[in-house]
Amino acid sequence: RKEVEQDPGPFNVPEGATVAFNCTYSNSASQSFFWYRQDCRKEPKLLMSVYSSGNEDGRFTAQLNRASQYISLLIRDSKLSDSATYLCVPRSGYSTLTFGKGTMLLVSP
Amino acid sequence: DAGVIQSPRHEVTEMGQEVTLRCKPISGHDYLFWYRQTMMRGLELLIYFNNNVPIDDSGMPEDRFSAKMPNASFSTLKIQPSEPRDSAVYFCASSTTMAGEAFFGQGTRLTVV
Repeated sequence: RKEVEQDPGPFNVPEGATVAFNCTYSNSASQSFFWYRQDCRKEPKLLMSVYSSGNEDGRFTAQLNRASQYISLLIRDSKLSDSATYLCVPRSGYSTLTFGKGTMLLVSP
Repeated sequence: DAGVIQSPRHEVTEMGQEVTLRCKPISGHDYLFWYRQTMMRGLELLIYFNNNVPIDDSGMPEDRFSAKMPNASFSTLKIQPSEPRDSAVYFCASSTTMAGEAFFGQGTRLTVV
């Protein structure tokens, strides 16, 4: 099993829609998570950090399911500017960050 | 702070030539990471430094790749000789901890023809 697995997409959604994508991870020692966002031809930037069971930041909600070893990202009321690739990053205090390949989201008018 | 600064932004070189990528991390960040990103493999960690010391270079693809960090504000990644399969975007990132938020530079887009 790969360390981090994400559906590459693309997820095509209209503006205003709610979209969710999952990330599965293999290291049960992962203590927390990052979601990074990468715009086309740009560098990755931190979107949110996830500790314990989840986190919410405005339209973005991350939920962690430790038993099934996956983390999800939910985006409500999608905006055109949300179009990007979303990278899942499990964290362990004993290793460097391992990035998933990301899920591409395309929001259309 | 200006963030992580990489140069050049774009590099086109011929196969067999030496390529040097440069990075200035954020001041005060003790960790510096070099990543390579391709469509096929995603973001791969090549090497990382802690307090200017290389800690793990197991991601360096082969001996053609080398990295140095002569001081806290400068690092280089060198490829000699370059090959077409080295074409990718190379990112430098820095952080205050090994597994903390990594701040990325804008990347160097390398094309080897």
